[in-house]
Amino acid sequence: DAGVIQSPRHEVTEMGQEVTLRCKPISGHNSLFWYRQTMMRGLELLIYFNNNVPIDDSGMPEDRFSAKMPNASFSTLKIQPSEPRDSAVYFCASSFQGANYGYTFGSGTRLTVV
Amino acid sequence: QKEVEQNSGPLSVPEGAIASLNCTYSDRGSQSFFWYRQYSGKSPELIMFIYSNGDKEDGRFTAQLNKASQYVSLLIRDSQPSDSATYLCAVNNGGGSQGNLIFGKGTKLSVKP
Repeated sequence: DAGVIQSPRHEVTEMGQEVTLRCKPISGHNSLFWYRQTMMRGLELLIYFNNNVPIDDSGMPEDRFSAKMPNASFSTLKIQPSEPRDSAVYFCASSFQGANYGYTFGSGTRLTVV
Repeated sequence: QKEVEQNSGPLSVPEGAIASLNCTYSDRGSQSFFWYRQYSGKSPELIMFIYSNGDKEDGRFTAQLNKASQYVSLLIRDSQPSDSATYLCAVNNGGGSQGNLIFGKGTKLSVKP
């Protein structure tokens, strides 16, 4: 089991550029979560999917953020245009059946917008 | 707004001592409670979960839950320098397949040799 795979591990981009973060959940997991972690705000839920369907996107900060899950093995989080305040570590996590048994996190993408 | 509160620390304990980490939560309907460990620069790793009032032990770790007081704790016995990390408390938000986790901001633990 390769775990939850995220790419890229690090991303440095200029303000105004489009950023796409990618996630491959654990095979057989049907829930996928995107979180953002900063020192000030901790781990914040952005959006989550169940069986590829978005369930709650109320944590997405604004229209510049969008997420998709076209199939059970792939999800993307896109920021367009990016801003310096988007700098954070973005984690993807997956689970079987929501939060009942906890999640497994990916290694994260450290995003720096300059 | 459902909240999970933790003392940010740092909590410093000597090697071999018991480390006690505490967490309170606002939603009285929460049913599932989790402790994650996060080493610096790494992702959170699930170490314990508890669903029922009382204690649950796993090796050197004991999770304690008191739903009446809306309080969860994690005890680490015989603390080791390798236990130095940030410990995140998480509580379920919603149940079944539609649920997600709300995380506290974490308590940083430092175990001194």
